[in-house]
Amino acid sequence: DSGVTQTPKHLITATGQRVTLRCSPRSGDLSVYWYQQSLDQGLQFLIQYYNGEERAKGNILERFSAQQFPDLHSELNLSSLELGDSALYFCASSASGRAFDEQFFGPGTRLTVL
Amino acid sequence: AQTVTQSQPEMSVQEAETVTLSCTYDTSESDYYLFWYKQPPSRQMILVIRQEAYKQQNATENRFSVNFQKAAKSFSLKISDSQLGDAAMYFCAYISGAGSYQLTFGKGTKLSVIP
Repeated sequence: DSGVTQTPKHLITATGQRVTLRCSPRSGDLSVYWYQQSLDQGLQFLIQYYNGEERAKGNILERFSAQQFPDLHSELNLSSLELGDSALYFCASSASGRAFDEQFFGPGTRLTVL
Repeated sequence: AQTVTQSQPEMSVQEAETVTLSCTYDTSESDYYLFWYKQPPSRQMILVIRQEAYKQQNATENRFSVNFQKAAKSFSLKISDSQLGDAAMYFCAYISGAGSYQLTFGKGTKLSVIP
């Protein structure tokens, strides 16, 4: 158990819908990262937050957005869902967001878009 | 942009034997870090080992060690005395020491351990 929690574990929805994935970082960690793992794209970085502020952005679609709240939990919002958005979405956290910090991964949320 | 390449989609090893997983990367930066992550069937991503680019000494964690060849941009993972629990997907990853702190992953190598 990494100490990072993600809810829900599984999510099944239809195309065009909107979903919210939630992540609680390890106690004391200030930085949260979101990654998408799919069969065709592999593991891709989406976005990073540090203490409530966006720090880095990767291959995140405009239909996707995220935020980190004052209590440091984070939410990833996916809208106008398409079949290709079906993937495993990981949240990771690290102590300070520095490059060498170990990123602790949550168990992931499996999203299936039908 | 940095890229990470794992040329072996699948590998197998006999229990108690040694196996080496390959990884190459492309970057123009001098300050960076390299990682190997393990993803067992449970899907949990687990850090196996990490290496700072400025350190010449290869990192070691128990049965896991790396062969870091900076000039060749190569970062291989050696697993000694392989155990059944080592069976997993292994991902090589790169992170820049400056600017964006995103992990860039390779496509992964699926390791099977034969009893």
